[in-house]
Amino acid sequence: EADIYQTPRYLVIGTGKKITLECSQTMGHDKMYWYQQDPGMELHLIHYSYGVNSTEKGDLSSESTVSRIRTEHFPLTLESARPSHTSQYLCASGQGTEAFFGQGTRLTVV
Amino acid sequence: AQKVTQAQTEISVVEKEDVTLDCVYETRDTTYYLFWYKQPPSGELVFLIRRNSFDEQNEISGRYSWNFQKSTSSFNFTITASQVVDSAVYFCALRGAGNNRKLIWGLGTSLAVNP
Repeated sequence: EADIYQTPRYLVIGTGKKITLECSQTMGHDKMYWYQQDPGMELHLIHYSYGVNSTEKGDLSSESTVSRIRTEHFPLTLESARPSHTSQYLCASGQGTEAFFGQGTRLTVV
Repeated sequence: AQKVTQAQTEISVVEKEDVTLDCVYETRDTTYYLFWYKQPPSGELVFLIRRNSFDEQNEISGRYSWNFQKSTSSFNFTITASQVVDSAVYFCALRGAGNNRKLIWGLGTSLAVNP
């Protein structure tokens, strides 16, 4: 069974606040990903990492940043949240072509 | 119940060949969305296309084209003049209308394009 955890599950926050979405996996996977998904819409890759101290931007431009200081942890940070950041954020980890998704964080910025 | 079937588990072609990946879906919704994603060996999912159920126009994007046929519940994907970089697993997915509907995935088709 996949062990990848995202917190919080739901977050409502005011404009201008700094937020960090947490993602942790206990499988020792080198690769980790962040996807953004608007309700009913497609997944867009916003960040990925192939290992510690490795981070890259995905195909969808995002104002968020990520860090990968430890293999198991891949947090995503928004320095100043805006209503346009309202979306679902999905974290995933994997080896090769196998990917495991977290349950997602549904973020609402008011 | 919703379901996505990608009957082709693996396809192997030689570079420059055209290849079609099949996707058949089942849904009782009148409004729904269909998607194709590519997963290269590096592992990330790359969004390719979204089509809603009211838009049956075929789509072409470079060497990629999609054929949506509601009459046969199919949303097939064709790569023209395939290249080695097209080697990946391709997933078809379905989602009904409404904010809380889950994405239903096919099992994927692994495409190998050989030089």
